[in-house]
Amino acid sequence: AQSVTQLDSQVPVFEEAPVELRCNYSSSVSVYLFWYVQYPNQGLQLLLKYLSGSTLVKGINGFEAEFNKSQTSFHLRKPSVHISDTAEYFCAVSDYWSGNKLVFGAGTILRVKS
Amino acid sequence: GAGVSQSPRYKVTKRGQDVALRCDPISGHVSLYWYRQALGQGPEFLTYFNYEAQQDKSGLPNDRFSAERPEGSISTLTIQRTEQRDSAMYRCASSLGTSGGGVKETQYFGPGTRLLVL
Repeated sequence: AQSVTQLDSQVPVFEEAPVELRCNYSSSVSVYLFWYVQYPNQGLQLLLKYLSGSTLVKGINGFEAEFNKSQTSFHLRKPSVHISDTAEYFCAVSDYWSGNKLVFGAGTILRVKS
Repeated sequence: GAGVSQSPRYKVTKRGQDVALRCDPISGHVSLYWYRQALGQGPEFLTYFNYEAQQDKSGLPNDRFSAERPEGSISTLTIQRTEQRDSAMYRCASSLGTSGGGVKETQYFGPGTRLLVL
């Protein structure tokens, strides 16, 4: 069965600094990878997804992620964060064998400080 | 357009009572999913529908949990004889469900129902 590990439960960072949120998944022949963001009192919102093709995926709000098959990783990056990026970020994976379900990591809380 | 809506947003109940949680998916979305999210954890899959057919219920923890979607639109997740360990955020999501989509499709999430069992 698929599993997802988000290595950091919380990441504090100053405004305008770069940030990387780490995500590793268990190996599978063909995986589909997602990053969702949850703002307080809101539902999960898709940031970006990798299905196939280019390993660098660009998403909304200036975020991007790189699929690395050999490292089984899908780390999320932003070159310069804003206060408004403070939220919880979830990495998720699905594959052909999992059916339609998403398997989520435990989440990383990004705290942007001024 | 309107997103996924869930009601109630908060539910406090006493141990042993039954609760029904409602999900109204995005109009036209064929696929509907239920997830449960414990505090400090990511969402965990419970069950999934295509139209009114329950395609996968492998994530339902025990027979106290059931879900239905009788007309292929609104879905209800029912928990019978609630226990304190059922306390969590219950999230609903929907996706287009177009042919060939499935596992690759974007799932759109509602705001969730926070359930507290006393």
